[in-house]
Amino acid sequence: KAGVTQTPRYLIKTRGQQVTLSCSPISGHRSVSWYQQTPGQGLQFLFEYFSETQRNKGNFPGRFSGRQFSNSRSEMNVSTLELGDSALYLCASSNGTSGSISYEQYFGPGTRLTVT
Amino acid sequence: AQSVTQPDIHITVSEGASLELRCNYSYGATPYLFWYVQSPGQGLQLLLKYFSGDTLVQGIKGFEAEFKRSQSSFNLRKPSVHWSDAAEYFCAVGALGYTGTASKLTFGTGTRLQVTL
Repeated sequence: KAGVTQTPRYLIKTRGQQVTLSCSPISGHRSVSWYQQTPGQGLQFLFEYFSETQRNKGNFPGRFSGRQFSNSRSEMNVSTLELGDSALYLCASSNGTSGSISYEQYFGPGTRLTVT
Repeated sequence: AQSVTQPDIHITVSEGASLELRCNYSYGATPYLFWYVQSPGQGLQLLLKYFSGDTLVQGIKGFEAEFKRSQSSFNLRKPSVHWSDAAEYFCAVGALGYTGTASKLTFGTGTRLQVTL
């Protein structure tokens, strides 16, 4: 079974631009979460989607948004990019369903975003 | 609010030596605890997890971790380190979310492991 895939793997953008990152979860997984990893702040939770609805949100400004499609693929968007948005953005999927527990998350390789 | 502390930023061990990476957590309810490993330029790979039950959990690649509620710790151990274990290790605590997954993970700052031959 293929793992979590993220596209693109690398991206360079200019301040003020917007960017869209894509994540395809493991087949059959319905939950997708996004994390930002930077040297200064470490790994931080952005948001989680399940059944096309945002279920959890981290402490990030509204410039960071996401969505999930009916096939569970997810995109995250960052508008008005700032230099501090340069980071590795990781997507994770899980096979969680409401009412059950013990489903761990599987991470993709990440998208390295550089803002200049 | 949940938090995770990994007090060791960098650890160097000789190949074949034993390893223990420390992790302390703060969480108001039953913690869901994880150890992940990240190689350069890669995503995170789950080594092991603790949800409930036996406090000594076994993971992949010969790793194990022990949950100690009284000490709020979840230390990772390996009896004999291999050169390929050199990587960054992250401890994380998760909140049980709507999906039944321990999502919204809070990570520690990581411990970089260097292995000398």
